[in-house]
Amino acid sequence: DQQVKQNSPSLSVQEGRISILNCDYTNSMFDYFLWYKKYPAEGPTFLISISSIKDKNEDGRFTVFLNKSAKHLSLHIVPSQPGDSAVYFCAASPYTSGTYKYIFGTGTRLKVLA
Amino acid sequence: DVKVTQSSRYLVKRTGEKVFLECVQDMDHENMFWYRQDPGLGLRLIYFSYDVKMKEKGDIPEGYSVSREKKERFSLILESASTNQTSMYLCASSLSVLRTSGRMEQFFGPGTRLTVL
Repeated sequence: DQQVKQNSPSLSVQEGRISILNCDYTNSMFDYFLWYKKYPAEGPTFLISISSIKDKNEDGRFTVFLNKSAKHLSLHIVPSQPGDSAVYFCAASPYTSGTYKYIFGTGTRLKVLA
Repeated sequence: DVKVTQSSRYLVKRTGEKVFLECVQDMDHENMFWYRQDPGLGLRLIYFSYDVKMKEKGDIPEGYSVSREKKERFSLILESASTNQTSMYLCASSLSVLRTSGRMEQFFGPGTRLTVL
């Protein structure tokens, strides 16, 4: 039972264009969400987060949008750069869990074409 | 900067061997986690620990055990390695909810690519 879903296993985008990565969740108790980026043979690195009291959070070229009613979040990267080519994971947690245990999606491989 | 280190980047073991994967973090984090990453399955939680000598099962604990004798160190043990445990193993750590100032992300180590023959 996959509680956090990333339905697109891969995505290709031209350099300079917008990349949109999507994530859906099923558990209405989830109220804190993270995005991680992972390069091959490295551990995931934290990118951006959003809590359920917000519907948008920005950090430079990265923006995360949260639609609670649709149980959907998306990561926008503008403009996309070749160095953004990586696997992106979304993760969700109920804030009240106390242990910050996260459920991760299956990942989307982004390829930014020069 | 938070640093999470794992004892080996690559490991090759034989079926039936006992395997130890070590993880050390230097930021005084209370929570530590072990995941495995497999293609198409994402990151799946094996075990986690929120304090010394405390542990809780994650989503896929079968065939694994853990040990946390010191706050900075969290070990994953494969009692009798099997070929279906060939995977990338990732350790992570995070602050306790009692100490966070709002940032709740987990910090990951570089991973150990384990191959069981």
